[in-house]
Amino acid sequence: DTEVTQTPKHLVMGMTNKKSLKCEQHMGHRAMYWYKQKAKKPPELMFVYSYEKLSINESVPSRFSPECPNSSLLNLHLHALQPEDSALYLCASSQVWDSLGSPLHFGNGTRLTVT
Amino acid sequence: SQQGEEDPQALSIQEGENATMNCSYKTSINNLQWYRQNSGRGLVHLILIRSNEREKHSGRLRVTLDTSKKSSSLLITASRAADTASYFCAQPYTGGFKTIFGAGTRLFVKA
Repeated sequence: DTEVTQTPKHLVMGMTNKKSLKCEQHMGHRAMYWYKQKAKKPPELMFVYSYEKLSINESVPSRFSPECPNSSLLNLHLHALQPEDSALYLCASSQVWDSLGSPLHFGNGTRLTVT
Repeated sequence: SQQGEEDPQALSIQEGENATMNCSYKTSINNLQWYRQNSGRGLVHLILIRSNEREKHSGRLRVTLDTSKKSSSLLITASRAADTASYFCAQPYTGGFKTIFGAGTRLFVKA
């Protein structure tokens, strides 16, 4: 079991649906991340939040909208997705966000299928 | 691409054998990290080696770092079926404030 909890574990949605992915950590970490991972590929960074402020957006399409309501929670709102957005979406946290690179703690991900 | 390279892409060994995975990276680093990912699960941080370290051990894991060659290796000794997973090296880019993962090595340990 990981200390980063993601819900739901699986999600199937149509291209016109609106859904949200949720992530929660109670380790007191001040940095949280969203990564996207396609099959047999490494995780790709999408967003970084540091102290609840968006610090990095890796040119992610606006149909993905992140939100960090507090230091323990991270959401990813999904709207009008495309089939190619189907992937494993991983949430991670680290003690701090800095150039030295604190180790990342990952959740088990949400397997998203867009039909 | 800033992504590092790993080899081999896939590795199949018998239980009890050692497994070695290599990682090359492109820019200067403060540290290099290794992660494991079991099928369909999240990544688990295994070990971090700093740029001023040449070798580090953790249980059956041994990591080496050669900054002159911009390369690192992960050795798993006396492998077990439970070691079957994908292994990724990752480097935090200095000044970039982001951790980039290598392509990964898929390890299969046969019982």
